[in-house]
Amino acid sequence: DTEVTQTPKHLVMGMTNKKSLKCEQHMGHRAMYWYKQKAKKPPELMFVYSYEKLSINESVPSRFSPECPNSSLLNLHLHALQPEDSALYLCASSREPFSGRARETQYFGPGTRLLVL
Amino acid sequence: AQSVAQPEDQVNVAEGNPLTVKCTYSVSGNPYLFWYVQYPNRGLQFLLKYITGDNLVKGSYGFEAEFNKSQTSFHLKKPSALVSDSALYFCAVRDDPYGTDKLIFGTGTRLQVFP
Repeated sequence: DTEVTQTPKHLVMGMTNKKSLKCEQHMGHRAMYWYKQKAKKPPELMFVYSYEKLSINESVPSRFSPECPNSSLLNLHLHALQPEDSALYLCASSREPFSGRARETQYFGPGTRLLVL
Repeated sequence: AQSVAQPEDQVNVAEGNPLTVKCTYSVSGNPYLFWYVQYPNRGLQFLLKYITGDNLVKGSYGFEAEFNKSQTSFHLKKPSALVSDSALYFCAVRDDPYGTDKLIFGTGTRLQVFP
């Protein structure tokens, strides 16, 4: 089973709203990722969590706040977003975060399509 | 820095014909290469990866990819295309800037299989 689930599937929010995206996996993976994908573009990495600790922040604006409450769950808290933040937000996970001794595959969820008005 | 290039925005092929989606890479060190497929309004699905070993890698749904070190290529292939293969295909290379996996994606190639 290589399933990563994401909720909600779609989200519409105003620029003053606060909302959260949720990602879950029950594969025992210890690395989890958030990507942002604009239309007709490749996914771009936002954050990486390794063993529930933030290990990479790709200079993402502070209006995006990730959280990893436990090894199965990854949240992305959204606040004061801009219309240009509208995109497909993809979560991924891999079994082992340390690439020096592992060549793991990242498995992606179906994504949350976000529209900021 | 690691990178991959997908030179074709779109590939058109008739159903039943062989298909090739091209990818070239630029890496320092050993390349770890991946192919993903994305159907409309869906996430990415893993197809196959090259780490080491045989240059011909077999993956899901009848796809395979050939790793060519001299040409720095990792082209995706399928002997007989299906209409249901129509999707967006991404080649990716694994970067390792901080000891943690980071995938760098190509710009994607849209495959259109015509009946």
